[in-house]
Amino acid sequence: DTAVSQTPKYLVTQMGNDKSIKCEQNLGHDTMYWYKQDSKKFLKIMFSYNNKELIINETVPNRFSPKSPDKAHLNLHINSLELGDSAVYFCASSQYITGELFFGEGSRLTVL
Amino acid sequence: AQSVTQLDSQVPVFEEAPVELRCNYSSSVSVYLFWYVQYPNQGLQLLLKYLSGSTLVKGINGFEAEFNKSQTSFHLRKPSVHISDTAEYFCAVSVGGSEKLVFGKGTKLTVNP
Repeated sequence: DTAVSQTPKYLVTQMGNDKSIKCEQNLGHDTMYWYKQDSKKFLKIMFSYNNKELIINETVPNRFSPKSPDKAHLNLHINSLELGDSAVYFCASSQYITGELFFGEGSRLTVL
Repeated sequence: AQSVTQLDSQVPVFEEAPVELRCNYSSSVSVYLFWYVQYPNQGLQLLLKYLSGSTLVKGINGFEAEFNKSQTSFHLRKPSVHISDTAEYFCAVSVGGSEKLVFGKGTKLTVNP
């Protein structure tokens, strides 16, 4: 069983469209995250939820809206996609406040 | 705010050679330190971590790292690398008690035959 799973794995879309990425973890963790990895492999945190409550919201455009229906799920919705949104988006989870993250395999978003 | 510097963006080595990947951090308070590895087209997985205690930390796949508080460093080492160690390696830091993990820009390790 995959511990942290993301869907879809690949997403190709046109500028201006809206898209969503879903994430589920079966590790029983309380905290989930979204990270963005750009073309230079730089990883930056976007959001973090602890027990469905938003605890980290970095300076991300408000076109990005996370939603956590329960502590095992964290989805990312992106409105009005732009070329610069092209990246690999990683979902992760952790149980303790120690920084040990468990990552999904990533969702590669390409905006044309 | 804490930051992480990985001094080498690329490190090419020959198989069975030793390797050291350098990482320095900046923080004025206690930190937790991590090394993650990312194989091509995969997510990141934890190699090793330092939370407290012994400054020499051993991880998976024969890697180890040493926490040096005076030099604010957490360099990753392996005495003999394999082709399969070819990957991107990320150093990361979180300030004690913080949910936020800050990553370095990564070091691409390429092991050649």
